[in-house]
Amino acid sequence: QSALTQPPSASGSPGQSVIITCTGTSNDIGRYKYVSWYQQYPGKAPKLIIYEVNKRPSGVPDRFSGSKSANTASLTVSGLQAEDEADYYCSSYGGSNNVVFGGGTKVTVL
Amino acid sequence: QVHLVQSGAEVKKPGASVKVSCRASGYTFTSYDINWVRQATGQGLEWLGWVDPANGNTHLAHKFQGRVTMTTSSSIDTAYMELSSLRSDDTAVYYCARGGSGDYEFDFWGQGTLVTVSS
Repeated sequence: QSALTQPPSASGSPGQSVIITCTGTSNDIGRYKYVSWYQQYPGKAPKLIIYEVNKRPSGVPDRFSGSKSANTASLTVSGLQAEDEADYYCSSYGGSNNVVFGGGTKVTVL
Repeated sequence: QVHLVQSGAEVKKPGASVKVSCRASGYTFTSYDINWVRQATGQGLEWLGWVDPANGNTHLAHKFQGRVTMTTSSSIDTAYMELSSLRSDDTAVYYCARGGSGDYEFDFWGQGTLVTVSS
């Protein structure tokens, strides 16, 4: 199963919005509603910020939102803050009890 | 509060095996799957598979079938991941992560265990 495709980097100024895309296929993102997003700081474990395309776990700010269209999922970070500078990974259920991750996107706050 | 605490860093020679543990607390261990994910330095996340502590059932990513064994001990709320026939490209941080109450998301993560494979 191939990894999902993410842009290696994205950036924005404080207060702006940044959108990160995650492209899969009709066998993963296009077929299932099980897309998740994780935030990871250097040297730390990932943290779940979005699951099932657009649901936020308790405690995750509503500045983080998710969506999906066809084979592409997106994470939008609105009102960008310095603390949002991190790596972001998408994942999707790929059928047959498999999970696949994206390659990750480094978000820089200018 | 949910915590997953992993065993310490390991250094192994090529061809050897390594076993990483993940001790859970703060929830009913048998109610949630434990997944294993690894990350090579500067690289992305790679899913290895899951184990169901309720019955010991496992599912491994195709790439790791035959080389990875996942087990649990419900008496001590601990999951284990053993990787055999180690190669240099197995050098990575290995994470355990709890399967969420939805489906196919990982809601709590261990701190990670660095496994270094070097001759």
